[in-house]
Amino acid sequence: DAKTTQPPSMDCAEGRAANLPCNHSTISGNEYVYWYRQIHSQGPQYIIHGLKNNETNEMASLIITEDRKSSTLILPHATLRDTAVYYCIVRVAGTGTASKLTFGTGTRLQVTL
Amino acid sequence: GAVVSQHPSWVICKSGTSVKIECRSLDFQATTMFWYRQFPKQSLMLMATSNEGSKATYEQGVEKDKFLINHASLTLSTLTVTSAHPEDSSFYICSARDWGAGTGTYGYTFGSGTRLTVV
Repeated sequence: DAKTTQPPSMDCAEGRAANLPCNHSTISGNEYVYWYRQIHSQGPQYIIHGLKNNETNEMASLIITEDRKSSTLILPHATLRDTAVYYCIVRVAGTGTASKLTFGTGTRLQVTL
Repeated sequence: GAVVSQHPSWVICKSGTSVKIECRSLDFQATTMFWYRQFPKQSLMLMATSNEGSKATYEQGVEKDKFLINHASLTLSTLTVTSAHPEDSSFYICSARDWGAGTGTYGYTFGSGTRLTVV
């Protein structure tokens, strides 16, 4: 699977948009980009995923560059409850043992008043 | 949405004993589940892939005889830490994979984790 690079930490004021970048310059054409977050001492929570097109759901938006070498997760109105570690993961499409999620170090987002 | 239940949420055991952790997919069938381990202030490390009705696939460096995985049904996978030692103390997390008909690809749902403390 392609390796991802994320900043180790970011701060965001409550009510503002949080933009979390992820670099995946070695991504292949059949690899998806997934975003999860982990609040302290809990299991990871799914946020969003995409292949080529930008995606939006009730939690966030995912912007993937045209060359697919990087992406940005956008939390439109961050709240204190969004404080967590955010993981950007690239997963190869397909079945079997290759279809697994490998976590990097993630970005620790701190939302402040 | 998909829900994965993991039990127990925490356990304390004596050194040398074995501990079993259960991971259940509540509203979907999961032929494939995954087990992760997470040490304090570190990321999740994939330990093994659990396949229903067949042997688990372990990641490099993970002792298969120490971390026994059984995936006997489409909704249950168990991880048994055998002869536990203090260095096995960690946060263990399972994940179940299912096909998202609306997304055209797999979804991965995680359990809430089990904190194991070996004394």
